[in-house]
Amino acid sequence: GENVEQHPSTLSVQEGDSAVIKCTYSDSASNYFPWYKQELGKRPQLIIDIRSNVGEKKDQRIAVTLNKTAKHFSLHITETQPEDSAVYFCAASSNAGNMLTFGGGTRLMVKP
Amino acid sequence: ETGVTQTPRHLVMGMTNKKSLKCEQHLGHNAMYWYKQSAKKPLELMFVYNFKEQTENNSVPSRFSPECPNSSHLFLHLHTLQPEDSALYLCASSQNTYSNQPQHFGDGTRLSIL
Repeated sequence: GENVEQHPSTLSVQEGDSAVIKCTYSDSASNYFPWYKQELGKRPQLIIDIRSNVGEKKDQRIAVTLNKTAKHFSLHITETQPEDSAVYFCAASSNAGNMLTFGGGTRLMVKP
Repeated sequence: ETGVTQTPRHLVMGMTNKKSLKCEQHLGHNAMYWYKQSAKKPLELMFVYNFKEQTENNSVPSRFSPECPNSSHLFLHLHTLQPEDSALYLCASSQNTYSNQPQHFGDGTRLSIL
């Protein structure tokens, strides 16, 4: 089955700096890669996703890149703000059953 | 956002109790999911339903019994749980499972087993 590794597990940045979170996956058939943000005590919320026919996708301060050959994808947050502080999860789906395999999560702390 | 609603938000139960978790979605979706979120572990998929039919059981112990009476409601019946079952149980929904689509989560039920 699919295995998703996520790094780092914790990340502390200064407000205004950029943050990068990386994930690798094992199943070359994976073709859908969402990223979720979970604030303390709240539900995971989808913030951006990318499909395997695209190499990069941007939405304001958030971007995701995908390298299918290397089987890794990354989340980039620019101009970080304190409200970006949360746990971020990457995930991968390798079949039409829409079953997500999640990474272990990254706790991002943005210091004002 | 109130698209996916879970009740109760918190539940404390003994190992011999029987309880049920409820999930309701108001997004017009046809697929629903149960996940377990434990501390320091990735979210684990437990069950998947598509148009009320179970399409996935991710090797979940039989003390967890799902029920999906219609596309809008999903239950997780709990019986004779173990301390290691203490976790946040999250429900999610998507349009269906025929292709990879965004899943929308509820706030979860925080379950504590005494």
